[in-house]
Amino acid sequence: QKEVEQNSGPLSVPEGAIASLNCTYSDRGSQSFFWYRQYSGKSPELIMFIYSNGDKEDGRFTAQLNKASQYVSLLIRDSQPSDSATYLCAVTRGIFNKFYFGSGTKLNVKP
Amino acid sequence: GAGVSQSPRYKVTKRGQDVALRCDPISGHVSLYWYRQALGQGPEFLTYFNYEAQQDKSGLPNDRFSAERPEGSISTLTIQRTEQRDSAMYRCASSPPGPLDEQYFGPGTRLTVT
Repeated sequence: QKEVEQNSGPLSVPEGAIASLNCTYSDRGSQSFFWYRQYSGKSPELIMFIYSNGDKEDGRFTAQLNKASQYVSLLIRDSQPSDSATYLCAVTRGIFNKFYFGSGTKLNVKP
Repeated sequence: GAGVSQSPRYKVTKRGQDVALRCDPISGHVSLYWYRQALGQGPEFLTYFNYEAQQDKSGLPNDRFSAERPEGSISTLTIQRTEQRDSAMYRCASSPPGPLDEQYFGPGTRLTVT
């Protein structure tokens, strides 16, 4: 079983819609949760992190964490074509906060 | 300010040669990580440094891979006797002090072993 599971997509949404990206993790001891965006041929860039249950909002982005269900999601409101990228979910575990990345979900926002 | 830098950006080497990949983290970042990323996959952990101490090297695939960070800043990932299966994007990330360890990635080094 993979540490972090994501649907590879592609997830296609029209411009202006809400994009919902999901991630599950296997270890209940996971401590912090991150979303990275990776454009094709580029390096991952940090979008948001969350470490307690509930929602965390930052501009058009909302991260949601449900530790009981071992589930993290990222909502992107008013999706723009520039949001088209692969979104990587990452969790940390252990005393050195070792990162485990999912394989990413490809998002296409259609104009 | 300047981000994480890596050099070289591209490296082509013949099978059996040694290669050294360099990472220069963001100033003030004490934690440094090396990852390998295959096409269509997320970054795969290789090793982690806190200052100059290598705290975790559990992701290094075998003993041909080693890393160092002697002065707690620049780090070098060395692959000895390269094999074709070592071809990949190698990424470095650094984190500022603090409990969350949010990571900032460098541009990566694309290694091709022929």
